[in-house]
Amino acid sequence: DTEVTQTPKHLVMGMTNKKSLKCEQHMGHRAMYWYKQKAKKPPELMFVYSYEKLSINESVPSRFSPECPNSSLLNLHLHALQPEDSALYLCASSQFLSGRAENTGELFFGEGSRLTVL
Amino acid sequence: GENVEQHPSTLSVQEGDSAVIKCTYSDSASNYFPWYKQELGKGPQLIIDIRSNVGEKKDQRIAVTLNKTAKHFSLHITETQPEDSAVYFCAASYQKVTFGTGTKLQVIP
Repeated sequence: DTEVTQTPKHLVMGMTNKKSLKCEQHMGHRAMYWYKQKAKKPPELMFVYSYEKLSINESVPSRFSPECPNSSLLNLHLHALQPEDSALYLCASSQFLSGRAENTGELFFGEGSRLTVL
Repeated sequence: GENVEQHPSTLSVQEGDSAVIKCTYSDSASNYFPWYKQELGKGPQLIIDIRSNVGEKKDQRIAVTLNKTAKHFSLHITETQPEDSAVYFCAASYQKVTFGTGTKLQVIP
């Protein structure tokens, strides 16, 4: 069983809706990530939080708004999305942000939230 | 930025045979090379990883080799089983993880 929990598993929304994806981990990890994955493609990095501060934003459109309320939680707020934003959204965590000497490097992924934008 | 190429994109093997997946990377700063397995409807899961100061690592039926000079690394699965069928992603990492394009492995019983 994954130790990263994502809700909801499935979400259908219209282009004018506002919704949120949620992610939770209780492994004491200090880095959390949002990835977007289209069918038959690798995960694409969207955002990275390190110690609850936004560390990396991969030039993601502002209709995606991340939030890290505490070290265990990560949200992705969605507003005015387009049909091409339909994808599997994966949350992941790691002990620390990769690159630091003490980092194990392993990403722990949740099972994802499958988003459909109509 | 980092660019990771992965081959083949699909691979079919008979149960019990070996499977090999190869990756190359471009950024010499990358120092961590994980391999992830993604089953249908699930998130990727780490199966093995290797750091830049090691040339080879083995875990039961799975092994990974790294050639830092040539900037390539490979995954070897021996005695394949139907439950090995999945999509496999290699990755290279320094500050952030860059994934390869994926290999869909099918093990035929």
